[in-house]
Amino acid sequence: EPEVTQTPSHQVTQMGQEVILRCVPISNHLYFYWYRQILGQKVEFLVSFYNNEISEKSEIFDDQFSVERPDGSNFTLKIRSTKLEDSAMYFCASSVGTRYNEQFFGPGTRLTVL
Amino acid sequence: AQKVTQAQTEISVVEKEDVTLDCVYETRDTTYYLFWYKQPPSGELVFLIRRNSFDEQNEISGRYSWNFQKSTSSFNFTITASQVVDSAVYFCAYISNFGNEKLTFGTGTRLTIIP
Repeated sequence: EPEVTQTPSHQVTQMGQEVILRCVPISNHLYFYWYRQILGQKVEFLVSFYNNEISEKSEIFDDQFSVERPDGSNFTLKIRSTKLEDSAMYFCASSVGTRYNEQFFGPGTRLTVL
Repeated sequence: AQKVTQAQTEISVVEKEDVTLDCVYETRDTTYYLFWYKQPPSGELVFLIRRNSFDEQNEISGRYSWNFQKSTSSFNFTITASQVVDSAVYFCAYISNFGNEKLTFGTGTRLTIIP
């Protein structure tokens, strides 16, 4: 069964460093998302991406964040200068269509900023 | 703005008992979709069900059943004859049929099944 994959599973970085979180969505999916979950809290939307552009972003997704689909399979989230409060689990999700279709989530990348 | 409330932060039941997880949502939208996701201890988010706001029919899938009541803005989830493998955090989520495409999650209910 096709699934969303994410690498790395755990990333430790120093405050101020840049990190890139990688995702490979399900191959026939067209809509891609990033969410984050601070430890013990709810899952929060960051950004949605369709047709090679951002379709929506939350207030969390400020200028420090960017997303890219560099090729036909990868979908990346970059944080330019990490802060302590960026420590969280980051989930990538994809869906075949719009809101009617369920979003399938990857296993997550745990980002720890020291 | 839409809001999803899961008032039960933690629930513990003994194995084989039935348990219901509550979900209440607030919206001004006339059409929308509701979801349940399971987050086991391993951390991934597993899709369980999607429900269209037009469809108030209850759904059963094995030991799982869902009760959607638009009149009370609730979408509750019942596990019958619970098993230890059901131990997880369960999230209810909402997406509007208009405008943004983001899932709005509730705060989750941590369910512990005691053997």
